[in-house]
Amino acid sequence: DSGVTQTPKHLITATGQRVTLRCSPRSGDLSVYWYQQSLDQGLQFLIQYYNGEERAKGNILERFSAQQFPDLHSELNLSSLELGDSALYFCASSVSSGRGSTGELFFGEGSRLTVL
Amino acid sequence: AQKITQTQPGMFVQEKEAVTLDCTYDTSDQSYGLFWYKQPSSGEMIFLIYQGSYDEQNATEGRYSLNFQKARKSANLVISASQLGDSAMYFCAMREVPGAGSYQLTFGKGTKLSVIP
Repeated sequence: DSGVTQTPKHLITATGQRVTLRCSPRSGDLSVYWYQQSLDQGLQFLIQYYNGEERAKGNILERFSAQQFPDLHSELNLSSLELGDSALYFCASSVSSGRGSTGELFFGEGSRLTVL
Repeated sequence: AQKITQTQPGMFVQEKEAVTLDCTYDTSDQSYGLFWYKQPSSGEMIFLIYQGSYDEQNATEGRYSLNFQKARKSANLVISASQLGDSAMYFCAMREVPGAGSYQLTFGKGTKLSVIP
């Protein structure tokens, strides 16, 4: 158990719809990362939040948005869904800084999104 | 250009044998970190081993070791005494320029390892 919690584990929806994926990081971790894993693209970094603020942005579509709340949980919002958005969405958290930290990411179990 | 290259889409290994999964990387940074993760069929990502660019010795964690060749920019994962439970996807990843609060990883495409009884 990594300590990172993601809900829901599975989600089936239709094209054009909007969904929200939720993530609770490990206790004490200030950073949350979102990754998308699809068969053709592999693991793609979407976005990172650090203590409530956007820190880094990757290959995130404009239809997608995220935020991190004061209690450090994060939500990834996916709108106007297309078939190609079907993927496994991972949330990860990390120790923010500190000497000796390897910076490994601790991943949640993922949310599997199926768009029909 | 790909930053992390895993050239073996799939590998087979006999149970109890050792196997090496290849990973090459591309960076101009002097300070970086290399990681290996395991993804079983259940889907979760499990951290296996880490190697820092300034570490002089190869990292080891139980049956996992990382064969780090800095000049060749390779970071191969060696699994000794393979077990059936080692069957999974394995991802190599790199962290560049760890700015304050940022540990973004770039992943390779992965290698699917199958352990044969």
